[in-house]
Amino acid sequence: EVQLVQSGAEVRQPGDSLKISCKASGYTFTTYWIGWVRQMPGKGLEWMGIIYPGDSDTRYSPSFQGQVTISADKSTSTAYLQWSSLKASDSAMYYCARSSGSGSTTEGFDPWGQGTLVTVSS
Amino acid sequence: DIQMTQSPSSLSASVGDRVIITCRASQSISNYLNWYQQKPGKAPKLLIYAASSLQSGVPSRFSGSGSGTDFTLTISSLQPEDFATYYCQQSYRTPQTFGQGTKLEI
Repeated sequence: EVQLVQSGAEVRQPGDSLKISCKASGYTFTTYWIGWVRQMPGKGLEWMGIIYPGDSDTRYSPSFQGQVTISADKSTSTAYLQWSSLKASDSAMYYCARSSGSGSTTEGFDPWGQGTLVTVSS
Repeated sequence: DIQMTQSPSSLSASVGDRVIITCRASQSISNYLNWYQQKPGKAPKLLIYAASSLQSGVPSRFSGSGSGTDFTLTISSLQPEDFATYYCQQSYRTPQTFGQGTKLEI
């Protein structure tokens, strides 16, 4: 069974750094793109960026470029989303999701992780 | 960025109704259009990819159509479990933007 299991909820203060994870299983990690999607409380879905673990090719939305870093570790089949200095406005649910098609970004995301809730508050 | 606009933003319907949700892209995206369903407190679920291809395991009452800039998601006969929020997403170009969502309510 293909699964993405995300790390648990985090509570941080403004200015803190944070790295959340998305561990993949049930498929060849290096041959599918993994994306990150933000959902702020009560709001819609925002595409943040994607990474191809096979060669670490990474694409960011201009809205998130420079604000977060997406990475992947082939040895542990885990993708990461990290911040160097959190802001209160980073409080949201963050989902990782795998590309539906191998090597392709065009067939949508399936499956999705369960989400990681990040709360940034002083 | 390509802007995706869904209509309506919310919709009230009854079990058994036929429902149509539309999605418009700010430029042509060929058929690179996906539809997702999200229930409260859950991750989104892929329903339709490439505008009209049904994802494995998704009931056949869901269908999609369109190309270019205008797309539709149709639910032929609403079931109780279909009340949720629906999002379109273009996968033609990064960033692969989502529509703002359509909340389907009883």
